[in-house]
Amino acid sequence: DIQMTQSPSSLSASVGDRVTITCQASQDISNYLNWYQQKPGKAPKLLIYDASNLETGVPSRFSGSGSGTDFTFTISSLQPEDIATYYCQQYDNLPPRSAFGGGTKVEIK
Amino acid sequence: EVQLVESGGGVVRPGGSLRLSCAASGFTFDDYGMSWVRQAPGKGLEWVSGINWNGGSTGYADSVKGRFTISRDNAKNSLYLQMNSLRAEDTALYHCARGRRVMEMVDAFDIWGQGTMVTVSS
Repeated sequence: DIQMTQSPSSLSASVGDRVTITCQASQDISNYLNWYQQKPGKAPKLLIYDASNLETGVPSRFSGSGSGTDFTFTISSLQPEDIATYYCQQYDNLPPRSAFGGGTKVEIK
Repeated sequence: EVQLVESGGGVVRPGGSLRLSCAASGFTFDDYGMSWVRQAPGKGLEWVSGINWNGGSTGYADSVKGRFTISRDNAKNSLYLQMNSLRAEDTALYHCARGRRVMEMVDAFDIWGQGTMVTVSS
């Protein structure tokens, strides 16, 4: 099985700061990597699909990059409403499988 | 409005069974692959199972393989998860989720339900 290692597990930053989260796959997953935001008591929300594509309606301060085994998620200017836990997710259809990273809890300093 | 609504959760004893349902509305259900994703209390997300648009292909996480069965009824716009031989570690909030692209089984999940809670306890 593919393992997804996400870091850090938590971070604290100030409003306006640039925030970066990384996700490493245990093997090459091409660009089959997505990013989600989850606020307490809510279902996850898709932000980035296929490593770098912004989902419709998602603010442009969110971005993603990477391919192969190493991926990065960035919030260019942290806003108070961005307080949440963020997850990466790999997926494949041959065979069908998916795995999430452990999550990164983002807090305001 | 595009919506997924889960039901069927509850409290069950170890070794017991439960069947979850997910009712879809607001989109052409049989165009999309669907999955179940769970989240244990205070923990992260875990993909459980996926099914393609017509039910002809399925996939499972190793943790549930042989115990859980995913299915769908496109005429009823519904997704199901039959859970047998339940264990304490299956306790979680179970979400159904839609794959973003038409026809793909496992994909980015762009629509999520709010989840139904399953508690396995004696």
